[in-house]
Amino acid sequence: DAKTTQPTSMDCAEGRAANLPCNHSTISGNEYVYWYRQIHSQGPQYIIHGLKNNETNEMASLIITEDRKSSTLILPHATLRDTAVYYCIVREWGPGSARQLTFGSGTQLTVLP
Amino acid sequence: EAGVAQSPRYKIIEKRQSVAFWCNPISGHATLYWYQQILGQGPKLLIQFQNNGVVDDSQLPKDRFSAERLKGVDSTLKIQPAKLEDSAVYLCASSYGGSGGEYEQYFGPGTRLTVT
Repeated sequence: DAKTTQPTSMDCAEGRAANLPCNHSTISGNEYVYWYRQIHSQGPQYIIHGLKNNETNEMASLIITEDRKSSTLILPHATLRDTAVYYCIVREWGPGSARQLTFGSGTQLTVLP
Repeated sequence: EAGVAQSPRYKIIEKRQSVAFWCNPISGHATLYWYQQILGQGPKLLIQFQNNGVVDDSQLPKDRFSAERLKGVDSTLKIQPAKLEDSAVYLCASSYGGSGGEYEQYFGPGTRLTVT
């Protein structure tokens, strides 16, 4: 079972920041938070991951609360090409089956012109 | 760098027929995954390989599904006989693998299977 809770859908205006929330209240100390997205008719694409510190890369920023029970993915300037299903996943660090990703239903983000 | 390649992209078969999907991972990636994605749901892991060995196949319906990765590179997933509920997109992913470390998974475009 997925260990995260996300809203089913969200809208965002083009050019504005998209803030996608995720609850993971049962996260354990050795679990990372990962974000992937899936554009229609494509395979999922890795976005970013973090443990407890905020992270930023060329695609997005990840803000993790101090208690690690929730996080927010931020797309700073959303474009129409960011319309996709966004998956928040918690995953243990380590070899073998611990590397598996368990996908929930994700959040359908629609960027509006 | 070339991505994960999958073929065919689309396949339509009748129930009780057999079908095979092929995946070529990114060069150098030791870990390979097969996922099943039913319409409206997130991908579900079917099987995970590390080189040519199976790490986890606990969610693979072994009475009809089989997978192999004989030389530790490309892989095939087979369904025989197919059922209507096998209609889905079958995704292949690979990651660098190795002991320890955190490596993201790279996904192929998937094969859309329709069973009629």
